[in-house]
Amino acid sequence: LAKTTQPISMDSYEGQEVNITCSHNNIATNDYITWYQQFPSQGPRFIIQGYKTKVTNEVASLFIPADRKSSTLSLPRVSLSDTAVYYCLVGDARPMYSGGGADGLTFGKGTHLIIQP
Amino acid sequence: EPEVTQTPSHQVTQMGQEVILRCVPISNHLYFYWYRQILGQKVEFLVSFYNNEISEKSEIFDDQFSVERPDGSNFTLKIRSTKLEDSAMYFCASRGNGYNEQFFGPGTRLTVL
Repeated sequence: LAKTTQPISMDSYEGQEVNITCSHNNIATNDYITWYQQFPSQGPRFIIQGYKTKVTNEVASLFIPADRKSSTLSLPRVSLSDTAVYYCLVGDARPMYSGGGADGLTFGKGTHLIIQP
Repeated sequence: EPEVTQTPSHQVTQMGQEVILRCVPISNHLYFYWYRQILGQKVEFLVSFYNNEISEKSEIFDDQFSVERPDGSNFTLKIRSTKLEDSAMYFCASRGNGYNEQFFGPGTRLTVL
């Protein structure tokens, strides 16, 4: 499994764009990059997944450079409710599409994002 | 919006006792998981389950743990003889076939005294 490194914590303010970068130097060819969000005393929640270039959905964007050794989660115009821990995960997504179920997620310590008024 | 549910929300037990944590995955999902999170630590994978058998398990998932899908809706995690270090939040998750997102439940907080 590719090791991921992300900042332990970040602070920002309401209305700002927040970018959280994750390093994954040993990413493998079949690995996808996935971000989850976790609020206190709740289960993680999927935010976004990508393989290369840019992916955007209704809550975030994911930027992945050509070498795929890092990725950046971008949260536009954050609010107080975006205060949470954000996890970057790297792993082989093939089991998800071919069956088998051998796709247990490996979470790191994540980035604790604190949004202030 | 469909969601994963877990019961109970909080379970307190004595060391050495058996506990069963219950989960109801999203109804058309085929892949099921258990994770745990010790207070202040990271989320750890325990086991995945597909087609009525374990697909993958971590080294945490030793002989004291077992999983079962007793009927078409429930997915359970049993700990046979609880230890103090089993105190944690236990999350169930499920995934649909061909989709890449695991949906997590709200968790059961297990406290072993």
